[in-house]
Amino acid sequence: EIVLTQSPVTLSLSPGERATFFCRASQSISNYLAWYQQHPGQAPRLLIYDASNRATGIPARFSGSGSGTDFTLTISSLEPEDFAVYYCQQRSRLIYTFGPGTKLDVK
Amino acid sequence: QVQLQESGPGLVKPSETLSLTCTVSGGSIGTHYWSWIRQSPGKGLEWIGFIFYTGRTDYNPSLQSRVTISVDTSKNQFSLRLSSVTAADTAVYYCARIQAHWYMDVWGKGTTVTVSS
Repeated sequence: EIVLTQSPVTLSLSPGERATFFCRASQSISNYLAWYQQHPGQAPRLLIYDASNRATGIPARFSGSGSGTDFTLTISSLEPEDFAVYYCQQRSRLIYTFGPGTKLDVK
Repeated sequence: QVQLQESGPGLVKPSETLSLTCTVSGGSIGTHYWSWIRQSPGKGLEWIGFIFYTGRTDYNPSLQSRVTISVDTSKNQFSLRLSSVTAADTAVYYCARIQAHWYMDVWGKGTTVTVSS
């Protein structure tokens, strides 16, 4: 099973600042990585797929990069609604695993 | 716009079978793959399996011996059965649509299932 680790566990920032999230895979997954956002009590929301493609309706302030084992999600300028938990997910060989998440909270 | 709604018992006894249904509205079940995912405080988000309208399935190897996912195209629904449940199966269960690039792009709101006697 491919294990995903995410860092940091918690990120404390203010609106308007830049946020950077990291995800590392235990082995190469090419670019088969997605990022999801989850607010409390809600389902996850797909933000980025195949490492760098924004999903339908996702604002341009969200961007993703990386390939192989190391991936990054960046929010260029935080809006109030961006404070949530962010998960990475891989789909290598169509067996999906998720990372443990990074909580983005207000500083 | 496609919407998904999970339904089923919120409480299941240990050793029994958990059964949930996902109803797809606003679109045909015959156009995509569909998936079940669960989320618990202890294990985070965990993929359970997926199904196509033809009946093709694939399951998480860690749950494969206990999971069955089926589809009913006449009702635009797909279902999850998880046998021999324990407290470790207590979670919020989500159904989701798998988009063309094999990621989950539409999710139901989720339903909480508690395993307890």
